[in-house]
Order: sequence, then structure tokens, then C-alpha cells
Amino acid sequence: DAGITQSPRHKVTETGTPVTLRCHQTENHRYMYWYRQDPGHGLRLIHYSYGVKDTDKGEVSDGYSVSRSKTEDFLLTLESATSSQTSVYFCAISTEGEGEAFFGQGTRLTVV
Amino acid sequence: LAKTTQPISMDSYEGQEVNITCSHNNIATNDYITWYQQFPSQGPRFIIQGYKTKVTNEVASLFIPADRKSSTLSLPRVSLSDTAVYYCLLISSGSARQLTFGSGTQLTVLP
Repeated sequence: DAGITQSPRHKVTETGTPVTLRCHQTENHRYMYWYRQDPGHGLRLIHYSYGVKDTDKGEVSDGYSVSRSKTEDFLLTLESATSSQTSVYFCAISTEGEGEAFFGQGTRLTVV
Repeated sequence: LAKTTQPISMDSYEGQEVNITCSHNNIATNDYITWYQQFPSQGPRFIIQGYKTKVTNEVASLFIPADRKSSTLSLPRVSLSDTAVYYCLLISSGSARQLTFGSGTQLTVLP
């Protein structure tokens, strides 16, 4: 799948602990995105990046931070996980221009 | 951000043509209309993209009227495996762009 890998694929963590999800691409695409998807809902954008060290907030950014220190990696951090952050998280990448986006396989995060 | 509106759900039967319409009244000049398909437990998958008129690929066709305020995804002769959620998005060719998904349309293909 378009050279995009999410890790871990599954994680169970306790409330209050920090969690970092990793998105790695081998396509050298400029844009990277983090989404969450909850049962019966569409994808909601958390944060996105338009270049190394260039990031911006999406519609549900509270409680999340991101970092992009190199083109291929986009990290999503939950500083202090809460049960409301139990969700499936998807990373996506896209190119310049009108390019299509490619999605990772998702990370299922459970906060207990 | 320009928003999109789609029907929440649609049912069809195998072998029929399915048309899903998306409204985007505030589309910007540099927005491209893009459709994605999502199966349960998978990330969305790109289907088709267009700017104006009609675009066709091996999977679907996309019809865009001259005013670009709506678009219609056409799936010919659907099968059970086409049961999925379909999302319409506007992707800007500008430099700092979000990809915002709406609620999507749940298409259920019946035997």
C-alpha cells in the first residue's frame, strides 16, 4: 500500500499514560495527516503536516500533538491518554498539486 | 473550508448502476473533487478525481456540471463487494491544505 506504514497496529494503554503513534512513508510525499475514526463516524482530522517541521491543527486536535522532524516520519502523541481517545487512527500521505491521498492500515488504540 | 453534503445511506441491487451525488456549493476555484471508498477496518482508498466535466476510469465515472457545485459518482453494475462507505472530498491544489472528510454515504448492495 503506497509505502505507508503505521506502528503499532494495536495498542492498549492505561489512562494518563503518554502514547506515541508513528507513521512512516517511503514515497517522499510532502503532506501527511493523522485522522481518528470512531464507530459509525467518518474520519476526523487531528493534525496535518505540509513539510518538515510544518504542522497545523485539524478539527479535533485537543489532547494531541505531532512532530515531523524528517520527511518520512509523522508522529502523533497523546500526552496523557484518556478513554475518549480510544479510537482507530489513520495516517495518510499525499503529493503536491491535486494528488490523491494514500492511507495506512490504521492503529487501533484502546485506553483503559 | 468548503464542505460537502452527501446522502447518509443508499441501497442497491447487484448489477445495477449506482449514482451518489455530493453537493459542494462553496467549492473554490483550485479545488479538485475526489472520491474515496472505505471498507470496515481499512483505510479509505482513492477511487477517482476530477476538476470539471466527466472523468472515467476502470472503476467509476465522475460527472461534474459546469458550475461545479455538485458531483456524481457513478458505479456501473455494482456487486456485493462494492458495499462500503463512499466519501466525497474537495482537495485544494494550494500549498497548505487539509483533507476534510464528511460523514460519507453507506452504500449497501443487496443480492
